[in-house]
Amino acid sequence: ETGVTQTPRHLVMGMTNKKSLKCEQHLGHNAMYWYKQSAKKPLELMFVYSLEERVENNSVPSRFSPECPNSSHLFLHLHTLQPEDSALYLCASSQETHQETQYFGPGTRLLVL
Amino acid sequence: AQSVAQPEDQVNVAEGNPLTVKCTYSVSGNPYLFWYVQYPNRGLQFLLKYITGDNLVKGSYGFEAEFNKSQTSFHLKKPSALVSDSALYFCAVRAIDNFNKFYFGSGTKLNVKP
Repeated sequence: ETGVTQTPRHLVMGMTNKKSLKCEQHLGHNAMYWYKQSAKKPLELMFVYSLEERVENNSVPSRFSPECPNSSHLFLHLHTLQPEDSALYLCASSQETHQETQYFGPGTRLLVL
Repeated sequence: AQSVAQPEDQVNVAEGNPLTVKCTYSVSGNPYLFWYVQYPNRGLQFLLKYITGDNLVKGSYGFEAEFNKSQTSFHLKKPSALVSDSALYFCAVRAIDNFNKFYFGSGTKLNVKP
């Protein structure tokens, strides 16, 4: 295990539902990330939080709303999603120095019907 | 702008043979390069990284990678492949101007046949 956990592991939701993905890191890191992984595409960085402040938002639609209440927890709130949002959503954490790598959680497999 | 390319969608190799998974990068300045592996239904796991120093970097599970500045490459290698090495491999470069940004390649599926 990498020290980064994600719940739920699988989620099926309708386009009118509201749900949240949760990520928790036990590594003492000060930066956390959300990525979207779709088949045969590079990982897409969605959001970056450093010291609990959002520092990066790669033009993600507003139907995705992140929340970082403290340095150990990260949420991704979902509402009125589209079928093309179906993907694996990966959370990662790192220490914010150039030499440190990111550690990933197992991901949440999301299916939007 | 920083970017990473993995030219092969898939690599097939017989167990016991050496394997190479290719990665080329484009970055201004000195690159910080990483390899990750993803097993089915799992997140990405860190394998190895190049920051500075020796061009040959050794990592987990017997993998190594060679940094070649003139060819802007960072190919992943292993002398003797195992069936259990079958997985999806990602190369990544960390942005120089923003340590929070990693750029990932599209991934290479490695199939090791018995």
